[in-house]
Amino acid sequence: GAVVSQHPSWVICKSGTSVKIECRSLDFQATTMFWYRQFPKQSLMLMATSNEGSKATYEQGVEKDKFLINHASLTLSTLTVTSAHPEDSSFYICSARTGETGNTIYFGEGSWLTVV
Amino acid sequence: SQKIEQNSEALNIQEGKTATLTCNYTNYSPAYLQWYRQDPGRGPVFLLLIRENEKEKRKERLKVTFDTTLKQSLFHITASQPADSATYLCALGRYNTDKLIFGTGTRLQVFP
Repeated sequence: GAVVSQHPSWVICKSGTSVKIECRSLDFQATTMFWYRQFPKQSLMLMATSNEGSKATYEQGVEKDKFLINHASLTLSTLTVTSAHPEDSSFYICSARTGETGNTIYFGEGSWLTVV
Repeated sequence: SQKIEQNSEALNIQEGKTATLTCNYTNYSPAYLQWYRQDPGRGPVFLLLIRENEKEKRKERLKVTFDTTLKQSLFHITASQPADSATYLCALGRYNTDKLIFGTGTRLQVFP
């Protein structure tokens, strides 16, 4: 299957700082990537849809100024958590679609963010 | 509001038996449904996709059924092995949107 890579796998940052998470599609071009967050023992919640070359579409309740998404190329999307706070600590997962809507979506390994 | 229900309690099953996991949904008309496996601290791994016009899909020891009348999908693992122990997520989607709605998952534990 298609491979989606995330980096870093885990990161610890101080409160008030910003942290960037990268999501790469390694063996295919992804015009659309997705960012999720998951709290322990809870479902994946879609944060935003990232489209190459255009602005991301954020889900209701997600602060676009806090969670900056950039999708500069067909293989890379980044999520920057700005002015991170302890409540932003979570498991962030990206995914990418291999083709048209309705095709399989592949997920990255996820990135653990801990804000202290 | 849209709701996806998976058994919140863990499913414990003996090795070699068939594990059956359930995904029920309400207030939603999905065009397709996907099943994923998620290990602790890892991202979901795609297993199977089944579309609304398909009743059943198979892949090796896995079988998925999709009943749009009952609004239910069943996920079967035959000849289960301890290595199958994980959390299994169902996710629903529509063709006019990329948004996948996930269930909370069911933890499967296969013991020897």
